[in-house]
Amino acid sequence: DAGVTQSPTHLIKTRGQHVTLRCSPISGHKSVSWYQQVLGQGPQFIFQYYEKEERGRGNFPDRFSARQFPNYSSELNVNALLLGDSALYLCASSLPGTASGNTIYFGEGSWLTVV
Amino acid sequence: SQQGEEDPQALSIQEGENATMNCSYKTSINNLQWYRQNSGRGLVHLILIRSNEREKHSGRLRVTLDTSKKSSSLLITASRAADTASYFCAVLPGGTSYGKLTFGQGTILTVHP
Repeated sequence: DAGVTQSPTHLIKTRGQHVTLRCSPISGHKSVSWYQQVLGQGPQFIFQYYEKEERGRGNFPDRFSARQFPNYSSELNVNALLLGDSALYLCASSLPGTASGNTIYFGEGSWLTVV
Repeated sequence: SQQGEEDPQALSIQEGENATMNCSYKTSINNLQWYRQNSGRGLVHLILIRSNEREKHSGRLRVTLDTSKKSSSLLITASRAADTASYFCAVLPGGTSYGKLTFGQGTILTVHP
């Protein structure tokens, strides 16, 4: 079975532009989360979606938005890009169910460079 | 802000030696998960330990959890050069029923052949 898939793998954008990153969860997984990982740090939680509803949001500005589609895939959108948005963006998926036993699986990420 | 803190920040050992990494956190948890990340790549899930568990094993990996001390450790036995990577602990806070993990800064492990 395919794991969490993300696209694109690498992209370069100019300051002020907009970017859309895409994620397909593992088949059967209905929960999708997005994380930002700046070089040298651990991932930081951005958004979590379950059954197409936003279930959590991290400490990120309104320039960051996301949505989940009926097939449970998800998009992360970032407007008005800043140099500091350069990072690895990770998507994760998990099964619904009891929180204590939920393994959360990550994709390979999308490397965003803002110049 | 990061909840977990890994210790040490970097660890350098020879092949065949054991590697121990520690993680501390601040709040109650549902579970704690360990991940490996090779340079520039995604996170690979290693092991999950529930808040009511004290120890788990998976192959050469052993994870312990002490909720009274709010700490966990990851032991890799008989390390190999291929184990060279960054290792992260991530907690799913208590009261959270979805995928909102909080990560530490990670431990960079280098295994010399």
